[in-house]
Amino acid sequence: DTAVSQTPKYLVTQMGNDKSIKCEQNLGHDTMYWYKQDSKKFLKIMFSYNNKELIINETVPNRFSPKSPDKAHLNLHINSLELGDSAVYFCASSQDSNRNEKLFFGSGTQLSVL
Amino acid sequence: GNSVTQMEGPVTLSEEAFLTINCTYTATGYPSLFWYVQYPGEGLQLLLKATKADDKGSNKGFEATYRKETTSFHLEKGSVQVSDSAVYFCALNSGYSTLTFGKGTMLLVSP
Repeated sequence: DTAVSQTPKYLVTQMGNDKSIKCEQNLGHDTMYWYKQDSKKFLKIMFSYNNKELIINETVPNRFSPKSPDKAHLNLHINSLELGDSAVYFCASSQDSNRNEKLFFGSGTQLSVL
Repeated sequence: GNSVTQMEGPVTLSEEAFLTINCTYTATGYPSLFWYVQYPGEGLQLLLKATKADDKGSNKGFEATYRKETTSFHLEKGSVQVSDSAVYFCALNSGYSTLTFGKGTMLLVSP
């Protein structure tokens, strides 16, 4: 059983398209996250949701819109894709947003914008 | 704001060599400190953590001690294996936001 699963694993698309990445966790966690990892492996938080409520929204273009239909799912929709959006996107979850909590990561979605 | 600085990689070692990956941090409040590891093609996994000063986190032969006086959390292992080849991330959480990661250090271990 995969604890945090995200789909698709690879996504290749043209500039200007709209795409979505889905994430589901079966751990019963309250908090979910989206991270972006660039080509140099640098990881940056994008969004965090706690019980379907947005709690962190870093300086991300508003072309990126997270959606949490329930606390087990946090999807990421991207409008008007740009070349600079190419990266690996990781979904993660934790029991809550306590500072000691361990994060569980999905295996990533590699997005390539051509 | 919070920040984490790690040594640049790649770190290249022979099997059974001693490993140190340096990590220093700047944070508000009293952060918890973490090391995560990312194997090729996978997501990050927690390797170890320490939640207060002088705590030592350990797992799979890796250790790191939370040093408040030097704001450091260096990762060490006495004898590395080829299977330890991965990218290692130091991170902190001060409770005001989610994890802040360092830029990652790639470790390459040869037989």
